[in-house]
Amino acid sequence: DSGVTQTPKHLITATGQRVTLRCSPRSGDLSVYWYQQSLDQGLQFLIQYYNGEERAKGNILERFSAQQFPDLHSELNLSSLELGDSALYFCASSVTGLAGEWSYNEQFFGPGTRLTVL
Amino acid sequence: KNQVEQSPQSLIILEGKNCTLQCNYTVSPFSNLRWYKQDTGRGPVSLTIMTFSENTKSNGRYTATLDADTKQSSLHITASQLSDSASYICVVSAFGLGTYKYIFGTGTRLKVLA
Repeated sequence: DSGVTQTPKHLITATGQRVTLRCSPRSGDLSVYWYQQSLDQGLQFLIQYYNGEERAKGNILERFSAQQFPDLHSELNLSSLELGDSALYFCASSVTGLAGEWSYNEQFFGPGTRLTVL
Repeated sequence: KNQVEQSPQSLIILEGKNCTLQCNYTVSPFSNLRWYKQDTGRGPVSLTIMTFSENTKSNGRYTATLDADTKQSSLHITASQLSDSASYICVVSAFGLGTYKYIFGTGTRLKVLA
């Protein structure tokens, strides 16, 4: 158990809908990262937050947004869902996320949320 | 274009045997390279991390090497066990313009048979 929790574990919804995925980092970790893993594409980095502020951005679609709250939990919002958004969504956390320090930071991954869009 | 390519895509070996997984990258400016192990349906777990100046790093039966000149890395697994069956993912990070990019390979699926 990594100490990172994600809810829900599974989510089934229809195209065009909007969903929110939730992540609670390990106690003491200030950085949260979101990743998408599709069957045919491997892991894709979406976005990173550090202490409430966006720190790095990857291949995140405009239909997706995220935020990190004062208690450091994070939510990933996915809207206007398409069939291709079906994937495993992972959250990871690390102690810091400052430039130059991510290199040595262990990232701990949560169990993931499996999203199925029908 | 920043890319990370892993080979082979999949590998089957017998328990007790050794194996080597490859990772080639075209990422710049290079910051570090990390190997992850991912069990099916679970989050990845970090095995090793190497920066530009490090050539080799071990974690138990896992040994990673890095050749920054040829932009190649390998992960060697010694005396494989059934529990080594998983996907192994190579991740390269680049730091530029004040931000990081994390580029993931598609992984090598390893199956260890009794």
